[in-house]
Amino acid sequence: EAAVTQSPRNKVTVTGGNVTLSCRQTNSHNYMYWYRQDTGHGLRLIHYSYGAGNLQIGDVPDGYKATRTTQEDFFLLLELASPSQTSLYFCASSDGWGGNYAEQFFGPGTRLTVL
Amino acid sequence: SQWGEENLQALSIQEGEDVTMNCSYKTYTTVVQWYRQKSGKGPAQLILIRSNEREKRSGRLRATLDTSSQSSSLSITGTLATDTAVYFCATHHNNAGAKLTFGGGTRLTVRP
Repeated sequence: EAAVTQSPRNKVTVTGGNVTLSCRQTNSHNYMYWYRQDTGHGLRLIHYSYGAGNLQIGDVPDGYKATRTTQEDFFLLLELASPSQTSLYFCASSDGWGGNYAEQFFGPGTRLTVL
Repeated sequence: SQWGEENLQALSIQEGEDVTMNCSYKTYTTVVQWYRQKSGKGPAQLILIRSNEREKRSGRLRATLDTSSQSSSLSITGTLATDTAVYFCATHHNNAGAKLTFGGGTRLTVRP
């Protein structure tokens, strides 16, 4: 089974602060994703990547940067955090290429609070 | 039923009952995936149904897909308290690469 880990699991920062969320997958998947989940809502895609050095824009990218340094590692960067970015963040990976509708494997989540 | 940015729906049933959760989508999709998210965990896929399948079964789970009405359903028979979770449908569109779009979710509570 795919293993996706995230760190930190909980983070508190202040408005204007810099935050980096980390994700690592150990199943050699080519796709990785960052989502945010807000109370009462489903998951919304922030950014995704299909390999090291690649970045694709998701549906809610404003205020977020991301970087895929290796096949295993995908980072989400909040350079000027705002209270509206308080959320539960999930990383996921999949082996899907276009036309191959692969299952996404999710990490345990990182709860971010911006004061 | 759930879709897009709709608020989370909620259902509460007694253990042993059957339940059906519905999902409607706005644009043509080639695949619907159903995910379950238990408290404090990330979502996990339950079942995937393609546009050329009308029904897919896996254990106590049954998914249907009606492309004409752009809707899908997930049924669970003989629910257990451990089925308590949030259930999401997610659709995959031909021109969107590997992106999935998740619905708002259904919070299912199964009372023991």
